[in-house]
Amino acid sequence: DQQVKQNSPSLSVQEGRISILNCDYTNSMFDYFLWYKKYPAEGPTFLISISSIKDKNEDGRFTVFLNKSAKHLSLHIVPSQPGDSAVYFCAASGRTGANNLFFGTGTRLTVIP
Amino acid sequence: KAGVTQTPRYLIKTRGQQVTLSCSPISGHRSVSWYQQTPGQGLQFLFEYFSETQRNKGNFPGRFSGRQFSNSRSEMNVSTLELGDSALYLCASSWGQGARDTQYFGPGTRLTVL
Repeated sequence: DQQVKQNSPSLSVQEGRISILNCDYTNSMFDYFLWYKKYPAEGPTFLISISSIKDKNEDGRFTVFLNKSAKHLSLHIVPSQPGDSAVYFCAASGRTGANNLFFGTGTRLTVIP
Repeated sequence: KAGVTQTPRYLIKTRGQQVTLSCSPISGHRSVSWYQQTPGQGLQFLFEYFSETQRNKGNFPGRFSGRQFSNSRSEMNVSTLELGDSALYLCASSWGQGARDTQYFGPGTRLTVL
């Protein structure tokens, strides 16, 4: 049973525009959320995270929004760059002291020059 | 600082065989977690080791096992391989145990079971 879902397997965006990647979760015990980026032949790389006590976290071009009532989070990339083309994974954790992350199935982002 | 390394990078086995994968964490990191990535399921948590003890385990059969050594290096073993075990196996290390300790992933071991 997939507790973290990324319903869009792929997304194409023009360079310079905004990329919005979405993620839904079902477990209300999740209290910490992360986004990872993965290039081919490499492991996932941590991008940004957010705690459930916040609804927004920014880091440069990357912003994550959390809507707890809707059990939904999104990653905004502004402006999008060709180097952002990768697979993006959403992940969630529900227990402090545990490294058990629940991952979504990923969204492949393609930024068109 | 060197990243997480995994060996071998590619492996081909046949059904019924067993396999051992190795992971060397970032120097100073004490926690090692293992994940299985398949196209339909994404990344699924296998288990986590901290200070040579398994601290957390995912929903995988007992054919999947692991261990951690005193230098924090970790191995995972899969016995009696099945076709469905074909996947990318990723290892991640972190300094501490909590999810708020950033996990750094290795490039993975691609296992193909024929």
